[in-house]
Amino acid sequence: QKEVEQNSGPLSVPEGAIASLNCTYSDRGSQSFFWYRQYSGKSPELIMFIYSNGDKEDGRFTAQLNKASQYVSLLIRDSQPSDSATYLCAVIGAGTYKYIFGTGTRLKVLA
Amino acid sequence: GAGVSQTPSNKVTEKGKYVELRCDPISGHTALYWYRQSLGQGPEFLIYFQGTGAADDSGLPNDRFFAVRPEGSVSTLKIQRTERGDSAVYLCASSPLGTSTTDTQYFGPGTRLTVL
Repeated sequence: QKEVEQNSGPLSVPEGAIASLNCTYSDRGSQSFFWYRQYSGKSPELIMFIYSNGDKEDGRFTAQLNKASQYVSLLIRDSQPSDSATYLCAVIGAGTYKYIFGTGTRLKVLA
Repeated sequence: GAGVSQTPSNKVTEKGKYVELRCDPISGHTALYWYRQSLGQGPEFLIYFQGTGAADDSGLPNDRFFAVRPEGSVSTLKIQRTERGDSAVYLCASSPLGTSTTDTQYFGPGTRLTVL
């Protein structure tokens, strides 16, 4: 089992719809969870982070964390074609400060 | 500088050669990380520095890989006897502290290494 798992996609959604991206992790002691966006040929850029169970909203983005189910998700409301990118989930495990990344989910927002 | 910078942006070398990749972190950031990203994969952790010392080098694949950060700022990733399988994008990131699970990492543009 991979430490951080994401569906590679592509996930296709129409413009204006809600995109839902999911991530599961294996280390129950994981403490911090990050979502990065990566455009083709570019480096990852931080979208948002979440540490506590529940929802955290930032503009059109909402991160959801459920530590009991070892599951973190990212919702993108009013999806735009410019949101088309690969979304990377990163987790900081117990007793460490390094990120463990998933393979990323490729999102396509169709105009 | 305003962000993390990496040089060179592209490096093409021949199998068996030695290469050095440089990372200049955000000014004042204590922690520096090296990752390797292959096509279609997420970044893979290599090594993490807290100041001048390597706090975790568990991701270095073998003893051909070595990294230094002598003055706690710029870091160099060194790869000896390069192999075709070393071809990837090498990403550097820095964070303010490196000793907090709430610390956010900021990535540089990466160095694309191609080993022929």
